[in-house]
Amino acid sequence: AQSVSQHNHHVILSEAASLELGCNYSYGGTVNLFWYVQYPGQHLQLLLKYFSGDPLVKGIKGFEAEFIKSKFSFNLRKPSVQWSDTAEYFCAVKSNNDMRFGAGTRLTVKP
Amino acid sequence: DTAVSQTPKYLVTQMGNDKSIKCEQNLGHDTMYWYKQDSKKFLKIMFSYNNKELIINETVPNRFSPKSPDKAHLNLHINSLELGDSAVYFCASSQVGGLMETQYFGPGTRLLVL
Repeated sequence: AQSVSQHNHHVILSEAASLELGCNYSYGGTVNLFWYVQYPGQHLQLLLKYFSGDPLVKGIKGFEAEFIKSKFSFNLRKPSVQWSDTAEYFCAVKSNNDMRFGAGTRLTVKP
Repeated sequence: DTAVSQTPKYLVTQMGNDKSIKCEQNLGHDTMYWYKQDSKKFLKIMFSYNNKELIINETVPNRFSPKSPDKAHLNLHINSLELGDSAVYFCASSQVGGLMETQYFGPGTRLLVL
């Protein structure tokens, strides 16, 4: 069955630490990949997306993600997190008309 | 102007009641979606509508019915509400087939069934 896996349920970091959140999917064929962020009490907002071309995608607020086709992965990274990055992060994969989200990773950044 | 809006923002109701949540998008998108986010923050797609046709219908109870009067609106009607329906419901829209298709989400409706 097609699925999206986010292995880290809750990540706790101190400010200025580096971040990497894992995302793996099990779709075959062509996929479009997304990372969304949900700040406390707010709706989902797009961080970045990959459709084609350079597998290293840069998004807003210093986030980037790398698509590794051979590993079916699309991990999210940020070299130095801030307290304001505390939020829930969702990986999403779209194939044809089917879009599925991972279970989400809660990031807590300690000041 | 808000791109995707939902009303109400909060909804508290008794078991067995029937309620509706409204969603409107002013982006000119041709596809709209409803998602349910449970207490563990897991997002599950419920429905999507493209040009008034249902194109995805996940295994949700038939107490849930999407209604789309036009392509800018996709309302969610829920009959005989149950405790397990308590969740946050998100509406989203996108332009299917666009080069950089992205779903834009509404602010969510927090439903609490007592």
